[in-house]
Amino acid sequence: DTGVSQNPRHKITKRGQNVTFRCDPISEHNRLYWYRQTLGQGPEFLTYFQNEAQLEKSRLLSDRFSAERPKGSFSTLEIQRTEQGDSAMYLCASSFVKYTEAFFGQGTRLTVV
Amino acid sequence: GDSVTQMEGPVTLSEEAFLTINCTYTATGYPSLFWYVQYPGEGLQLLLKATKADDKGSNKGFEATYRKETTSFHLEKGSVQVSDSAVYFCALSLLGTSYDKVIFGPGTSLSVIP
Repeated sequence: DTGVSQNPRHKITKRGQNVTFRCDPISEHNRLYWYRQTLGQGPEFLTYFQNEAQLEKSRLLSDRFSAERPKGSFSTLEIQRTEQGDSAMYLCASSFVKYTEAFFGQGTRLTVV
Repeated sequence: GDSVTQMEGPVTLSEEAFLTINCTYTATGYPSLFWYVQYPGEGLQLLLKATKADDKGSNKGFEATYRKETTSFHLEKGSVQVSDSAVYFCALSLLGTSYDKVIFGPGTSLSVIP
């Protein structure tokens, strides 16, 4: 296991379409986080899971966004009825309760046209 | 609320110059502090960390000291290289607490010219 894996790396979609991203965390990590990063900004927290439970959601996560982590392993982030403002890099990170740092994936860059 | 502030960029330096990127934070509780680096087209990589007051994190010639009294975690490097050109993010972590998340600053873009 070499790190956090995100797929796809790039996604171009038309406005109004639904998209889904996948994140595979480091295998022994029980916490998983989603962040959004727009151009020129730092990553902004969206939501996080401990095992399969979604414990916190940012106000940035509108009702068009839904995240799941079935069985406490991989996670998916779905955006319904995409808007141009959803264009961003979506980052996933994982951590283990004993450690203080989170490890980030390469991200999925979404472009809504 | 919890937040991180860092000096605005872009910063342009000549090779072998001294680098300082200022970072200050506001946090509930006792955070861990990090510097992440993002090279062009890549994801975030952890550069260094410090988990308690007066700790010094270091890696690849970069250093930062956790200063609780000034709530700061400034990044320094004595001699930058062209390969250090990237965006640097200061961050705090409250992982393992009821505020479990990493909070990032806005990033500082560094360009090193030969």
